Amino acid sequence: EAGVVQSPRYKIIEKKQPVAFWCNPISGHNTLYWYLQNLGQGPELLIRYENEEAVDDSQLPKDRFSAERLKGVDSTLKIQPAELGDSAVYLCASSLDNRPGELFFGEGSRLTVL
Amino acid sequence: GQSLEQPSEVTAVEGAIVQINCTYQTSGFYGLSWYQQHDGGAPTFLSYNALDGLEETGRFSSFLSRSDSYGYLLLQELQMKDSASYFCAVGSDDKIIFGKGTRLHILP
Repeated sequence: EAGVVQSPRYKIIEKKQPVAFWCNPISGHNTLYWYLQNLGQGPELLIRYENEEAVDDSQLPKDRFSAERLKGVDSTLKIQPAELGDSAVYLCASSLDNRPGELFFGEGSRLTVL
Repeated sequence: GQSLEQPSEVTAVEGAIVQINCTYQTSGFYGLSWYQQHDGGAPTFLSYNALDGLEETGRFSSFLSRSDSYGYLLLQELQMKDSASYFCAVGSDDKIIFGKGTRLHILP
């Protein structure tokens, strides 16, 4: 069974440029998460989807970040414009509804903003 | 507010046993999970406790005391490949919140 797939693995952009990350969760997993992880820190939740619905986006900086999950499967996370402080690893995870504590993470997308 | 506390670093010897503690303050608690992350890798799920007591999975065990808002991860027969960061994560009010992680160093 394929795991959570993310792309790109690495992205280097200049500040004020836009960037987008893509995530394909494990088949059958209705819940999808985007987390941000800074070096030496734990993952921090940005947004959680239940199927197509964003049920928790309270930590998403909506002035520059946006996300969507069309058809309740793949998801994209966009930053426009990027700032220096956005340099981090963006992790996507998915889970089954009946196993709320067990998240499956993708390898992450490492963003460097110059 | 919500908070999780775990030691930033722990050092142990290969073959030994190590315990990583996690204390939490949160509302709407429903479970405690543990994740392992190697440098440059993805966090991988280790265990989940929804009820008080000990859960054992091979060399790893996890414990939860809901009344004490406390849990721990126990790693036995340590191997060099266990060198990694370990995160506790609490399920709270439909959120899953991660601690800052414990870096485990293993000496030969």
